[in-house]
Amino acid sequence: GIQVEQSPPDLILQEGANSTLRCNFSDSVNNLQWFHQNPWGQLINLFYIPSGTKQNGRLSATTVATERYSLLYISSSQTTDSGVYFCAVDVGGSNYKLTFGKGTLLTVNP
Amino acid sequence: DADVTQTPRNRITKTGKRIMLECSQTKGHDRMYWYRQDPGLGLRLIYYSFDVKDINKGEISDGYSVSRQAQAKFSLSLESAIPNQTALYFCATSDLGGPDGNEQFFGPGTRLTVL
Repeated sequence: GIQVEQSPPDLILQEGANSTLRCNFSDSVNNLQWFHQNPWGQLINLFYIPSGTKQNGRLSATTVATERYSLLYISSSQTTDSGVYFCAVDVGGSNYKLTFGKGTLLTVNP
Repeated sequence: DADVTQTPRNRITKTGKRIMLECSQTKGHDRMYWYRQDPGLGLRLIYYSFDVKDINKGEISDGYSVSRQAQAKFSLSLESAIPNQTALYFCATSDLGGPDGNEQFFGPGTRLTVL
């Protein structure tokens, strides 16, 4: 099956810093989503981005499907950005299941 | 109100007990999924359903069963719970016909502990 690798596994920032999280995947994808899992365990949809670039406030994402990677940018980080960021992909076919990476644990210190 | 709800939110049970986790959605989506998350790992698919009469196994279905009672409801059962089923369980929904293809939306999760 498809492999999804996220880097870095852990990241510690000071409030106000910028960061880039990366997601590499091993095959063509039909769908790519970024999620933020907050400290209470809830999964928050950030982007649905199988290709191209999207922006939402301080967050933006770019997927280069032909090169099989996606980037999540966080600018002017805040303590509330802390948590785990997951990339998940779907290769289409018969079940449309999402295959998740292991996530990047982000800690933003005040 | 939340679009995807799960009950209970937390549950502690004993080995050998039968337990049911329930999921309801008001998004009108046809597709529903159950995932589990273990510490330090991403989510893995247990079962999925594209319609009321459609049930499919995911990658880790052993020890679990599901029921799709209606378009809006999808329940997950552990027939005889064991400690390695301790995990965070998520329900998700999607609508292939929507503007964003198969974007999946997740419920708040059920934290299950099996003693």
